[in-house]
Amino acid sequence: EAQVTQNPRYLITVTGKKLTVTCSQNMNHEYMSWYRQDPGLGLRQIYYSMNVEVTDKGDVPEGYKVSRKEKRNFPLILESPSPNQTSLYFCASSSPPGPTDTQYFGPGTRLTVL
Amino acid sequence: GQNIDQPTEMTATEGAIVQINCTYQTSGFNGLFWYQQHAGEAPTFLSYNVLDGLEEKGRFSSFLSRSKGYSYLLLKELQMKDSASYLCAVMFSGGYNKLIFGAGTRLAVHP
Repeated sequence: EAQVTQNPRYLITVTGKKLTVTCSQNMNHEYMSWYRQDPGLGLRQIYYSMNVEVTDKGDVPEGYKVSRKEKRNFPLILESPSPNQTSLYFCASSSPPGPTDTQYFGPGTRLTVL
Repeated sequence: GQNIDQPTEMTATEGAIVQINCTYQTSGFNGLFWYQQHAGEAPTFLSYNVLDGLEEKGRFSSFLSRSKGYSYLLLKELQMKDSASYLCAVMFSGGYNKLIFGAGTRLAVHP
């Protein structure tokens, strides 16, 4: 089954404790991205990747890092989480590069930073 | 920045028709998507418009006017399961295509 998976689905953590949210897709997609969703603001892009070892900042990259060492995986790293990063996070993938094809979204990760 | 505007909330009756509007700044426009998102779930793709006109897909249709920076999503024969948020997303070009989402329209369908 074609899908995008994220782990964990729910996470409560404390300020400053490094965490990683994993994202994996099994569709051989080249394009992957991370979004956060906050009430009243909609989905905002954090980082995107056009292919292995190619990443770039989206609209709200501050406080986040990503890596793309393999095509299928695109982890999101919060080196020192803060309460303003409490949000619902979605990973997405599509092919070909550039979202002219539909994006497939993962199930979401609800993060709370205390 | 590029603003995507859509109403925050709408209500409609089961079996009726509802139209959800979306407006955007036209500079750099490169395509428009509509997504459906049920509470607590991931967005799912509904439609994609890049040329002017109406795209029909079953009970859902999407319209685009590029010169006016305007789109709408039309839902016919509403069902209770259509209660969800509907996200308008515009792709802009500028070195690399980027997808900008509106805040979403929360639709409540009642009997």
